[in-house]
Amino acid sequence: KQEVTQIPAALSVPEGENLVLNCSFTDSAIYNLQWFRQDPGKGLTSLLLIQSSQREQTSGRLNASLDKSSGRSTLYIAASQPGDSATYLCAVNSNSGYALNFGKGTSLLVTP
Amino acid sequence: EAGVVQSPRYKIIEKKQPVAFWCNPISGHNTLYWYRQNLGQGPELLIRYENEEAVDDSQLPKDRFSAERLKGVDSTLKIQPAELGDSAVYLCASSLGVQGKYEQYFGPGTRLTVT
Repeated sequence: KQEVTQIPAALSVPEGENLVLNCSFTDSAIYNLQWFRQDPGKGLTSLLLIQSSQREQTSGRLNASLDKSSGRSTLYIAASQPGDSATYLCAVNSNSGYALNFGKGTSLLVTP
Repeated sequence: EAGVVQSPRYKIIEKKQPVAFWCNPISGHNTLYWYRQNLGQGPELLIRYENEEAVDDSQLPKDRFSAERLKGVDSTLKIQPAELGDSAVYLCASSLGVQGKYEQYFGPGTRLTVT
C-alpha cells in the first residue's frame, strides 16, 4: 500500500522567507502527484499537478519538483506571505488505483 | 465554471440517526470520489464512481454506509445509523477521466458531528 509522509508536520516562518515542504512516498509506480492547500474549515484547493513523466511544475511563487525514483517531492514557496498560512497536503495517484493517497499535511504559519 | 458543489456544509446529529450528503460534480466529469477526512489526517477514499458504476468501494463500511450516483451525475452518500466515530469531514471530488493522469477537484466538504 502506498504510504505518503510529509515533513515537517508544522512550520512557522516570518513573512518574506523562502521555504520548502517535503513529501515522500513508498511506491514509485505513480501516475501523478498533486499538492493541495487547505484552509481551516474549507475544502482542498489544487495548487500543482506533476505527471510522472515530469520533473517540476511552477505556478507563480510556487514550484513543485518530483523525483519519482527516490520517492520524493518538494514544494518550494518563494517570498512567503501571511496569506500563505494554511495546511499543505501532498497526494499521490498510484498505478495500482485511481484514488489519491494523501499525507497528513504540513501546517504552515507565516507571521507578519 | 462552477466547481464541485456539496451540501449541507455542516451537520450535527445524534448517534444512531441517519444522515445523507449530496454532491454535484463539475459538469462533464465522469469520475466522482467520496473521501473522508478525520481531524489532523489526510483524506481517505471511501468510494469511486466511473459514470454510474461504483468501481472501487473497498474502503466503504458497507454495514452502515451506502452511496449512489444516479444518471452518472449527482451523488449521495448515506450513513445509517451514524456512530460517534463517523464524525469527520466528507469530501467529494471529481475528475475528467478515469485514468490517474487527470487532476482531481474537490468540493468544500460536509463537516459531520455525531453526538
